[in-house]
Amino acid sequence: DQQVKQNSPSLSVQEGRISILNCDYTNSMFDYFLWYKKYPAEGPTFLISISSIKDKNEDGRFTVFLNKSAKHLSLHIVPSQPGDSAVYFCAAVVGAGSYQLTFGKGTKLSVIP
Amino acid sequence: EADIYQTPRYLVIGTGKKITLECSQTMGHDKMYWYQQDPGMELHLIHYSYGVNSTEKGDLSSESTVSRIRTEHFPLTLESARPSHTSQYLCASSESHLDTEAFFGQGTRLTVV
Repeated sequence: DQQVKQNSPSLSVQEGRISILNCDYTNSMFDYFLWYKKYPAEGPTFLISISSIKDKNEDGRFTVFLNKSAKHLSLHIVPSQPGDSAVYFCAAVVGAGSYQLTFGKGTKLSVIP
Repeated sequence: EADIYQTPRYLVIGTGKKITLECSQTMGHDKMYWYQQDPGMELHLIHYSYGVNSTEKGDLSSESTVSRIRTEHFPLTLESARPSHTSQYLCASSESHLDTEAFFGQGTRLTVV
């Protein structure tokens, strides 16, 4: 039973346009959410996070939106760059201090020059 | 920049061999984790530690074992490798404070033949 779902295995976007990666979750106890970026043969790299008390967090080109009622979060990248091409994992945790992350399966983003 | 290291990066080994995957971090983090990831799938937590002499099993059952004798070192051992153990193993660490992200190593890709 997957508690964190990324239903799009892949996404292609033109350079300069907006990339929107989606994530749904089923466990209402999750209260902290993170996005990680992973290149092939590398470990995941933390990108951005959001607490359940917020509905938006922005860091440069990256913005994460959280809709608690819909149990949905999304990562917006604008403008998209070829170097953003990677697999993006959504992760969630019950209690930010516990840090037992539950990951989605990832979405492979390809940014076309 | 994360200072967490895994060795080896790649390992091909025969069935029945004993192996130890090394993980070290120089950040002084109390919490350390081992995740397992198959291609195209989510990361699954298999072991974690909250500090020296603390080890717990994660959500995904694993035949591997871990030890935490020193803060900076969290090795994972398979006593008798099998083809079903073929996977990527990712080590991570984090601080104990709230709202901190986990830093991942580059991973060990294990193939058991």
